[in-house]
Amino acid sequence: NAGVMQNPRHLVRRRGQEARLRCSPMKGHSHVYWYRQLPEEGLKFMVYLQKENIIDESGMPKERFSAEFPKEGPSILRIQQVVRGDSAAYFCASSPLPASDTQYFGPGTRLTVL
Amino acid sequence: AQKITQTQPGMFVQEKEAVTLDCTYDTSDQSYGLFWYKQPSSGEMIFLIYQGSYDEQNATEGRYSLNFQKARKSANLVISASQLGDSAMYFCAMREAIQGAQKLVFGQGTRLTINP
Repeated sequence: NAGVMQNPRHLVRRRGQEARLRCSPMKGHSHVYWYRQLPEEGLKFMVYLQKENIIDESGMPKERFSAEFPKEGPSILRIQQVVRGDSAAYFCASSPLPASDTQYFGPGTRLTVL
Repeated sequence: AQKITQTQPGMFVQEKEAVTLDCTYDTSDQSYGLFWYKQPSSGEMIFLIYQGSYDEQNATEGRYSLNFQKARKSANLVISASQLGDSAMYFCAMREAIQGAQKLVFGQGTRLTINP
């Protein structure tokens, strides 16, 4: 039973480019959470999605960031016109039910903006 | 809003000793959950242990145990017989309910170094 998968594991972008981060939840999980970890800090919640729905995006920056979880395929976190401050590790987690006790994390995508 | 505080930025422990990592939390919810995750240098987040607010017994998972003191709002992680492979960042987190789903609020983390 494969765990949560994220790709790419490492992503390098120049300022102004777009970054697309993908997350495939565990089999049977339809709830996806995205978190961001700045260097030397804990993880911060960004967005919670179910299939085809954004449930809570209270942690998402107002501009340049968007997320989706289509009916088919992985969840995508998209960052447009990246800036150096976007450099961070982005983690995806999934759970089978909304009230599940445990979220299972993927290995993360490390974004570096040059 | 919920808050997690980890007051130890770094800890150094001799191999085979027990170690306690501190975590205090602040919430007005009656029902909540507390988690500990380990993040080794490779970067992934590894789930260690979970404690529900209504659980009467302290959670244990192998060498990990959670010292849950509800009145003090603390949820310290105890690692018995530490090993070199325990060197990592450790994060305490609290589950915050949003429309039935559970987002996690994390502390700043404690960097644990096990010395041989």
